[in-house]
Amino acid sequence: DQQVKQNSPSLSVQEGRISILNCDYTNSMFDYFLWYKKYPAEGPTFLISISSIKDKNEDGRFTVFLNKSAKHLSLHIVPSQPGDSAVYFCAASEAAGNNRKLIWGLGTSLAVNP
Amino acid sequence: NAGVTQTPKFQVLKTGQSMTLQCAQDMNHEYMSWYRQDPGMGLRLIHYSVGAGITDQGEVPNGYNVSRSTTEDFPLRLLSAAPSQTSVYFCASRKSGGAVPLFFGPGTRLTVL
Repeated sequence: DQQVKQNSPSLSVQEGRISILNCDYTNSMFDYFLWYKKYPAEGPTFLISISSIKDKNEDGRFTVFLNKSAKHLSLHIVPSQPGDSAVYFCAASEAAGNNRKLIWGLGTSLAVNP
Repeated sequence: NAGVTQTPKFQVLKTGQSMTLQCAQDMNHEYMSWYRQDPGMGLRLIHYSVGAGITDQGEVPNGYNVSRSTTEDFPLRLLSAAPSQTSVYFCASRKSGGAVPLFFGPGTRLTVL
């Protein structure tokens, strides 16, 4: 039973346009959410995170939006660049002392076409 | 800082062989963990450690051992390799405490024949 779902396995976007990657979760106790980017043959790289006390966090071209009532978060990349082509994972966790574990989605493969 | 380093990058084993995947970090992170990534399965937690001398099981611990004798190192041991352990293995670390990101190593691609 997946607690974190990325329902789109793949997404294709034109260079310069907006990429929107979506993630849904079921556990209302999740209070910290992260996005990672992964290139082939490399480890996942931390991109951006958001705490449940916020509904938006921005870092350069990347913005994460959190809708707690809908249990939904999204990553916006504006403008998209060919170097953004990668697999994007969302992850969520709930407070558990020092034992906070991440629950991962299965990823969305983004292709940004020149 | 080198961050999280893993060796080897690639390894081929025969069924029944044992080996150790090495992981080290130079960020003074208390928390370290091992994941495996398989097609269609996402990232699954094998074992983790919240500090030197403390380890615990993740969701897929069978067939793997870990130890944490120093803050920097967190090796993963395969006791008797099986084809089902063919996977890409990632080590990751973070600071202890609250909501902070996890930082990953480059991975080890393991094939068990």
